[in-house]
Amino acid sequence: DTGVSQDPRHKITKRGQNVTFRCDPISEHNRLYWYRQTLGQGPEFLTYFQNEAQLEKSRLLSDRFSAERPKGSFSTLEIQRTEQGDSAMYLCASRGTFEETQYFGPGTRLLVL
Amino acid sequence: AQSVTQLDSQVPVFEEAPVELRCNYSSSVSVYLFWYVQYPNQGLQLLLKYLSGSTLVKGINGFEAEFNKSQTSFHLRKPSVHISDTAEYFCAVRGGSQGNLIFGKGTKLSVKP
Repeated sequence: DTGVSQDPRHKITKRGQNVTFRCDPISEHNRLYWYRQTLGQGPEFLTYFQNEAQLEKSRLLSDRFSAERPKGSFSTLEIQRTEQGDSAMYLCASRGTFEETQYFGPGTRLLVL
Repeated sequence: AQSVTQLDSQVPVFEEAPVELRCNYSSSVSVYLFWYVQYPNQGLQLLLKYLSGSTLVKGINGFEAEFNKSQTSFHLRKPSVHISDTAEYFCAVRGGSQGNLIFGKGTKLSVKP
């Protein structure tokens, strides 16, 4: 078990471009969360998957954001038409069915120029 | 709605001194509380959690926290800090029904020699 992994670790893009991030959770974990962390703030919840079903979305998840978890394993988070305000660390976390602890990946740091 | 307030944004201490990082929460339901640590450019690592039972919770790296329901607090303590404890610490409460976490803004602990 190698923990939660995220790819890429860093992404620099120009305003208006689309970006996609990937998260691989701990293999037996069926619950997956995405969070966004801006400078000087704690992580803020974006969306939640149980298996392949997206069960909750935060108001922070504008219509330019879309997330998928097609086979209930890895997940992707896509941002379309990026804006400078999207610059942040995007964190993925997973947890098992009968536990409360969320295990976080190293994050993807996005910079929109 | 649940919320978390971390009362100190920065805490400087000398090596081998004791430290307390303060956290207050607001919740109308049973609380599950967490402390996470974040080292620069990394994800979050769980230090400890309170789900039920004993109000004094021991975690990794010599940290402990005490759940105080009457004062709605969950302060983190360590009797003697090391240089390697320099990091940002986040207090969190379990949020909605899907288990997403609500984080405070974080406390930066700086341990000086």
